[in-house]
Amino acid sequence: GAGVSQSPSNKVTEKGKDVELRCDPISGHTALYWYRQSLGQGLEFLIYFQGNSAPDKSGLPSDRFSAERTGGSVSTLTIQRTQQEDSAVYLCASSPFWDRPKLYEQYFGPGTRLTVT
Amino acid sequence: AQKITQTQPGMFVQEKEAVTLDCTYDTSDQSYGLFWYKQPSSGEMIFLIYQGSYDEQNATEGRYSLNFQKARKSANLVISASQLGDSAMYFCAMREPYYNQGGKLIFGQGTELSVKP
Repeated sequence: GAGVSQSPSNKVTEKGKDVELRCDPISGHTALYWYRQSLGQGLEFLIYFQGNSAPDKSGLPSDRFSAERTGGSVSTLTIQRTQQEDSAVYLCASSPFWDRPKLYEQYFGPGTRLTVT
Repeated sequence: AQKITQTQPGMFVQEKEAVTLDCTYDTSDQSYGLFWYKQPSSGEMIFLIYQGSYDEQNATEGRYSLNFQKARKSANLVISASQLGDSAMYFCAMREPYYNQGGKLIFGQGTELSVKP
């Protein structure tokens, strides 16, 4: 079946511009996660959604970052007033969460490579 | 705080030989999960193997096995009969309890494996 998809695959933006990154999870997966992979910080967790519930935003690196999930499916990560340190690969993962035996397994998308110039 | 340590930034192995990638972890939780992911140059994170903290037997998936030593807090990945296509970055990750951000993953810094023909 279809895996996690992300768009765009690559995004180059000028410093100060806003960007939106999209994630389509695997159909039926209730949990959705955003991670960031950068040279300096490695792989770090950003935010988690369970269904339509309001997320805990404490993992987001700054208030310029926000995320939403519509209809318990597609998620958008928005970065406002981008900075050069935002350059990274943004990875989305989804999980069936309660579906044994694959309890808690997370399936990753191909990522969006963001470059801020 | 939970932590994953991978002490081998890079490893070389001859094709058809076995290789062990090291991973140690630190947690005060009794319930946790350990994962290994493969990230080829294309960037996608590919799930390889999972070990639950209460699993008594070491996990195996084809050529991959996880050498789980709970008392030593280690979860080494063993790849048997290495293939050229195994050349990639390998990440060890620990799943937080589900009540912490839906079981977010904490990643190690990764080990880059190169398979020589």
